[in-house]
Amino acid sequence: GQQLNQSPQSMFIQEGEDVSMNCTSSSIFNTWLWYKQDPGEGPVLLIALYKAGELTSNGRLTAQFGITRKDSFLNISASIPSDVGIYFCAGPRSGGSNYKLTFGKGTLLTVNP
Amino acid sequence: NAGVMQNPRHLVRRRGQEARLRCSPMKGHSHVYWYRQLPEEGLKFMVYLQKENIIDESGMPKERFSAEFPKEGPSILRIQQVVRGDSAAYFCASSAGVAEYNEQFFGPGTRLTVL
Repeated sequence: GQQLNQSPQSMFIQEGEDVSMNCTSSSIFNTWLWYKQDPGEGPVLLIALYKAGELTSNGRLTAQFGITRKDSFLNISASIPSDVGIYFCAGPRSGGSNYKLTFGKGTLLTVNP
Repeated sequence: NAGVMQNPRHLVRRRGQEARLRCSPMKGHSHVYWYRQLPEEGLKFMVYLQKENIIDESGMPKERFSAEFPKEGPSILRIQQVVRGDSAAYFCASSAGVAEYNEQFFGPGTRLTVL
């Protein structure tokens, strides 16, 4: 089945530092999604990528859809304490069931003020 | 700001009891999805419903679990005779449609603890 592998599993950084995390798959995805989950809450969509090679920004966040369609990365610049949370990559499954999102296991980000 | 609403936020049940989780989709959304999240895991798809119809329940255990989305009222995820392994966070999401890809908006989740 389709699986998404995220790395790193966790990161501890100082406020102001830049962060990079990525997501890979052995299968092709036609859409890549990046979500953030705060403690005790549901995931919130940060960035959606729909085309291979696409580079999209949302404030301090930048994400890219890999050319091979098997990977994506998310960068956060100038981190702040409220960036703390779990970041998930996700993608719809192929084969007519694009409503089923497959999630990675997440990257836990801790920002020290 | 009428986002996806779920209740209860926390639910404690003893083994063998029933758990009923409720989800009200965003206004104007008629597509509802349920996902389960185990500790330190990503979310796993369970079931996709439209009003009065189960479209895809391939991710839902065949026994003890059921879901509905009636014409009136919230969507319900029902777990009968709960076991400790059912302890997890259950998230509901809704979307306006499924053509191409329609963004799924998630609720805050129900955290089920089975004692």
